[in-house]
Amino acid sequence: DGGITQSPKYLFRKEGQNVTLSCEQNLNHDAMYWYRQDPGQGLRLIYYSQIVNDFQKGDIAEGYSVSREKKESFPLTVTSAQKNPTAFYLCASSMFEGNTEAFFGQGTRLTVV
Amino acid sequence: EDQVTQSPEALRLQEGESSSLNCSYTVSGLRGLFWYRQDPGKGPEFLFTLYSAGEEKEKERLKATLTKKESFLHITAPKPEDSATYLCAVSDSWGKLQFGAGTQVVVTP
Repeated sequence: DGGITQSPKYLFRKEGQNVTLSCEQNLNHDAMYWYRQDPGQGLRLIYYSQIVNDFQKGDIAEGYSVSREKKESFPLTVTSAQKNPTAFYLCASSMFEGNTEAFFGQGTRLTVV
Repeated sequence: EDQVTQSPEALRLQEGESSSLNCSYTVSGLRGLFWYRQDPGKGPEFLFTLYSAGEEKEKERLKATLTKKESFLHITAPKPEDSATYLCAVSDSWGKLQFGAGTQVVVTP
């Protein structure tokens, strides 16, 4: 079955810790995206990548880092520099052209304890 | 800078009461406009892609239309199962995919 897999579904982080959220796709998509969603709000773009070994900052990249070493994988690290990391994180992928629809994973809910 | 604005923020409908959601946008080099449906605690589910002004797409009770500056999602004779948050997104010439804040729709029996 083709799709996007995010793990874990729930994640708890102590203040001052870095945590990494996993996103894997087997759709052979070129582009991948990370979004953050706060309660009752829309999706805000953190980072996006159109090809392997290249990525661009979105609107709220501060306190986050990514890597794109393989086409299938786009992990997101939430660093201790992110002041308010508690949120719902969504990963998506699409074909490179940018005019094709993106498909989403089921999300990771991160809570700082 | 790309901007996507959705209205209204929330919409409460009686079953069978048709209505429209609006998505207005400013983007450099629109490559596509997308509508998604999102249920609580889930990832968005793709509904439609629109590429050029005048284009329309339809699926069951939903119909999406596009002009040069905005898109509408028409919900005809909605049912309670149409309750969800509807999200609009645009893709620009750099491949950046930008979302609006969404419209939360509640359909009561």
